[in-house]
Amino acid sequence: ETGVTQSPTHLIKTRGQQVTLRCSSQSGHNTVSWYQQALGQGPQFIFQYYREEENGRGNFPPRFSGLQFPNYSSELNVNALELDDSALYLCASSSGTGGFSYNSPLHFGNGTRLTVT
Amino acid sequence: AQSVTQPDIHITVSEGASLELRCNYSYGATPYLFWYVQSPGQGLQLLLKYFSGDTLVQGIKGFEAEFKRSQSSFNLRKPSVHWSDAAEYFCAVGARPGGGADGLTFGKGTHLIIQP
Repeated sequence: ETGVTQSPTHLIKTRGQQVTLRCSSQSGHNTVSWYQQALGQGPQFIFQYYREEENGRGNFPPRFSGLQFPNYSSELNVNALELDDSALYLCASSSGTGGFSYNSPLHFGNGTRLTVT
Repeated sequence: AQSVTQPDIHITVSEGASLELRCNYSYGATPYLFWYVQSPGQGLQLLLKYFSGDTLVQGIKGFEAEFKRSQSSFNLRKPSVHWSDAAEYFCAVGARPGGGADGLTFGKGTHLIIQP
């Protein structure tokens, strides 16, 4: 069973730039979620995708956007990067119907460490 | 709105001693509760979960947790810790096993230090 994989592992960007992070879901999982974990904090929910549509979103501005592809892989895009966007970005996958994963808890990848200078 | 409080930022325990990490949650309905562990530079690994039924749940690596509705608590325990248990531990609550439309809400974590 292949777990959740994320790329790249580390990334350095300049304020104002745009970034794309990538995630491959665990085999058999059809739902993907993204979380932001600032240093010393717990993860915060950004959004969730099911059947290529966003079906849940946390308190993040529209410059955080995502995509889910037919093979259930996903991208997180962040525009106009700010210094406070520096964090570990975690992708998690799960399975279920209606996108709300009635049976499956989240399985996380190892994350992408984004540094904005 | 759902929320999670982990009152202890750091806990130091001697190897072989017992462990209890506290977690209090706020949620309007029956919660789905989780404990995750994170080693430095790594993602989150699920230790155990509570969905319904027996309030004492067993997880991996010898961990267990007890759901107490009256106290809105879901404390994590281990009878004898090993040096490899040193890590960051997160408690989380959600409306669904996978988080639902509002995702999972995590506490700020408890940093566990193991003394030899």
